[in-house]
Amino acid sequence: DAKTTQPPSMDCAEGRAANLPCNHSTISGNEYVYWYRQIHSQGPQYIIHGLKNNETNEMASLIITEDRKSSTLILPHATLRDTAVYYCIVRVFFTGNQFYFGTGTSLTVIP
Amino acid sequence: DADVTQTPRNRITKTGKRIMLECSQTKGHDRMYWYRQDPGLGLQLIYYSFDVKDINKGEISDGYSVSRQAQAKFSLSLESAIPNQTALYFCATSEGTGGVETQYFGPGTRLLVL
Repeated sequence: DAKTTQPPSMDCAEGRAANLPCNHSTISGNEYVYWYRQIHSQGPQYIIHGLKNNETNEMASLIITEDRKSSTLILPHATLRDTAVYYCIVRVFFTGNQFYFGTGTSLTVIP
Repeated sequence: DADVTQTPRNRITKTGKRIMLECSQTKGHDRMYWYRQDPGLGLQLIYYSFDVKDINKGEISDGYSVSRQAQAKFSLSLESAIPNQTALYFCATSEGTGGVETQYFGPGTRLLVL
């Protein structure tokens, strides 16, 4: 599974969009991009995933570049409850391998 | 996620003691995982199981063992606990459809080894 690179920390003003980047330059054609978040020592929570196309759900949007070497998670209107560590993961199902969580990006939403 | 439960939630033990952490799930998933997390770090995989008869070592399995008693239960044991096993432990389950796999995590067990 391809490894990912994320900035260690970011700040975002409450109510503004939070844009969290992820680099996955070695991603292979059948690997999906997943985003999870972990709020203060709770179990990580699934947010969204994508393969090639941009995706949106009730939590966030995922923008994947055309070459698939990077992606951006967008929280359109960040709230204080979005303060968490966000993990970008690339993985293909049935590899018999694990999700590699890395250290993620610590997002702080500022009032 | 209430569908994945872990017991105990907190545990203090002494060096050399045997300890078992238990995980139960009601999601009906075949795949289950055990992770540990050290302060300020990401999750590291200890063991994973794709079904009751399939158990695999993760990246940091030394000093740990597991038992998959049933589809719904996956236990992690520390045969002889040592202080550097002090960490936050998470159990997870996953399901996969159409090439996509989503993991669901329990609330975690905070373990302190003195």
